Amino acid sequence: DIQMTQSPSTLSASVGDRVAITCRASQNISSWLTWYQQRPGRVPEALIYRASTLVSGVPSRFSGSGSGTKFTLTISSLQPDDFATYYCQKYDSYPYTFGQGTNLDIK
Amino acid sequence: QVQLMQSGAEVKQPGASLKVSCKTSGFSFSNYYIHWVRQAPGHGLEWMGVIDPSGGSTTYTQTLKGRVTMTMDTSTSTVFMQLNSLTSEDTALYYCVRERYMGDGYISPGGYWGQGTLVTVSS
Repeated sequence: DIQMTQSPSTLSASVGDRVAITCRASQNISSWLTWYQQRPGRVPEALIYRASTLVSGVPSRFSGSGSGTKFTLTISSLQPDDFATYYCQKYDSYPYTFGQGTNLDIK
Repeated sequence: QVQLMQSGAEVKQPGASLKVSCKTSGFSFSNYYIHWVRQAPGHGLEWMGVIDPSGGSTTYTQTLKGRVTMTMDTSTSTVFMQLNSLTSEDTALYYCVRERYMGDGYISPGGYWGQGTLVTVSS
């Protein structure tokens, strides 16, 4: 099975910062990657699908890039609501494996 | 609107079996795959498997193969996830998840989520 590895596992930043989270696949998954945000006590919410397409209603400060084996989620200017855990998930073929998550907290 | 309503929290003993339901509404049941995802306390998301309600075909993660079974009842638009031989490592929040077809024709695999079912395995 293809493994998904996120980095960093934890990221400390301040409101207004630009941050980037990386997700690497152990094999080529083309652009079949999605990103989620999960706030404490809440269900995950999809932010981006197909590696770079923003889900309707998601703020434009979120962006995704990459293809093949390396992907990046970028938040251009952190807002208080953005401090959460972020997950990537592959969906080229089963199993739809998740990355281990990146906890974004306030510095 | 799309709704995925899961059954309530459960406490199970080690070795027991678990069956969680996910009653769907607001869409044509047979048209959308339903996935199951779990999250152990303080841990990340784990994809468990998927069922195709149009015919009942399933695919499971290898790590659970032999212990997990996903079924459906088309008369009530409900999917079920059964997990056997429970251990403390199965303590988790279990989610059913429906794919969402986006305006550009592509799929977002985690478009709609149930509220989650907390399962605690403890003697």
